[in-house]
Amino acid sequence: GAGVSQSPRYKVAKRGQDVALRCDPISGHVSLFWYQQALGQGPEFLTYFQNEAQLDKSGLPSDRFFAERPEGSVSTLKIQRTQQEDSAVYLCASTYSGTYNEQFFGPGTRLTVL
Amino acid sequence: DQQVKQNSPSLSVQEGRISILNCDYTNSMFDYFLWYKKYPAEGPTFLISISSIKDKNEDGRFTVFLNKSAKHLSLHIVPSQPGDSAVYFCAVQDNTDKLIFGTGTRLQVFP
Repeated sequence: GAGVSQSPRYKVAKRGQDVALRCDPISGHVSLFWYQQALGQGPEFLTYFQNEAQLDKSGLPSDRFFAERPEGSVSTLKIQRTQQEDSAVYLCASTYSGTYNEQFFGPGTRLTVL
Repeated sequence: DQQVKQNSPSLSVQEGRISILNCDYTNSMFDYFLWYKKYPAEGPTFLISISSIKDKNEDGRFTVFLNKSAKHLSLHIVPSQPGDSAVYFCAVQDNTDKLIFGTGTRLQVFP
């Protein structure tokens, strides 16, 4: 079946612009995660949904970052007033249930803020 | 303070030999451990996992070892193949469900 998909794959934004990144998880997967991967680093947790409920947003770096999953399927990560330090690859992962299960990752969206 | 450390940024191994990738963690509450493999421009792909009640898990050419007293995890690949060349991340999970990743080790397998 289809894996996790993300769009766009690449996004260039001018500093101060708002961006929206989309994630389509594997059908039937209850849990959805967003991670941020800076160059040369491992992915770092941003936020976690179980169905439409955002259970953990402790990793969001500032109030400019906002995520939603209104119908418990597709999720959108929005970054307002982008800054250069927001440049990174944003990865989405899904799993049937969160604990003790492998998370399946999408290809990521590479965001470059100029 | 980094909770998961991969101290070797890179490793080069000849085809057919064993590759050993290492990972150290700081928190004894972590109870599920995973290895992911990543090719350029792709997302991480799950490779193998182990729970804290075990000390070894094997899947084909891949074996993960867990030493809880030393808080150390290792991945053995034998025999190594050129297609194994990628960045390998270890990750740990606690009861909050999120994964905490190391910084990765770039493995290069040469003929």
